Amino acid sequence: DTEVTQTPKHLVMGMTNKKSLKCEQHMGHRAMYWYKQKAKKPPELMFVYSYEKLSINESVPSRFSPECPNSSLLNLHLHALQPEDSALYLCASSQPTRAGGRYGEQFFGPGTRLTVL
Amino acid sequence: TQLLEQSPQFLSIQEGENLTVYCNSSSVFSSLQWYRQEPGEGPVLLVTVVTGGEVKKLKRLTFQFGDARKDSSLHITAAQTGDTGLYLCDDYSSASKIIFGSGTRLSIRP
Repeated sequence: DTEVTQTPKHLVMGMTNKKSLKCEQHMGHRAMYWYKQKAKKPPELMFVYSYEKLSINESVPSRFSPECPNSSLLNLHLHALQPEDSALYLCASSQPTRAGGRYGEQFFGPGTRLTVL
Repeated sequence: TQLLEQSPQFLSIQEGENLTVYCNSSSVFSSLQWYRQEPGEGPVLLVTVVTGGEVKKLKRLTFQFGDARKDSSLHITAAQTGDTGLYLCDDYSSASKIIFGSGTRLSIRP
């Protein structure tokens, strides 16, 4: 199984709502990532988990809260978002490198299209 | 900080034509990945190149890694409408930040 799944595919939420995005992989990868992608732009890294521990937070606002409950699952909890947070949110996974550097070939999920009203 | 520049930013050609897009780095690549992303989907890995001068072929796509490992090209022969998408390059093995190139948006007209 070389698939990364993400749910939901689409999400519309108000600025006062709390919602969560979910990502799952069963490739045995021990590094998982959240990216944000605005229209016609490349993905921008938000968070990296390596061996279920948060290893990189790219100065993301606290209204985005990641969680890695186990090696197969990655969540992104959303609270009090702004309209400018509307974007495609991508999850990816890979094996971490032994050298502790960047994290190997990444496999991406199809993304969650988030709209904040 | 390593910078990845891709060119052209946007390319629109007729079906059946050939094209080349480029990825250039401000520093030596450890190893380079090319992805294609279709609208509303996640990027899909096309190829990884590691050795300077390496050439890999994937059907009508030819990937070349520069001898000095600071640049790469993707050549598509006889483009098809299914080649439409955003093409991204990424260096995955260095110790620096995980970043993608700026991307080339390719549109193939029927």
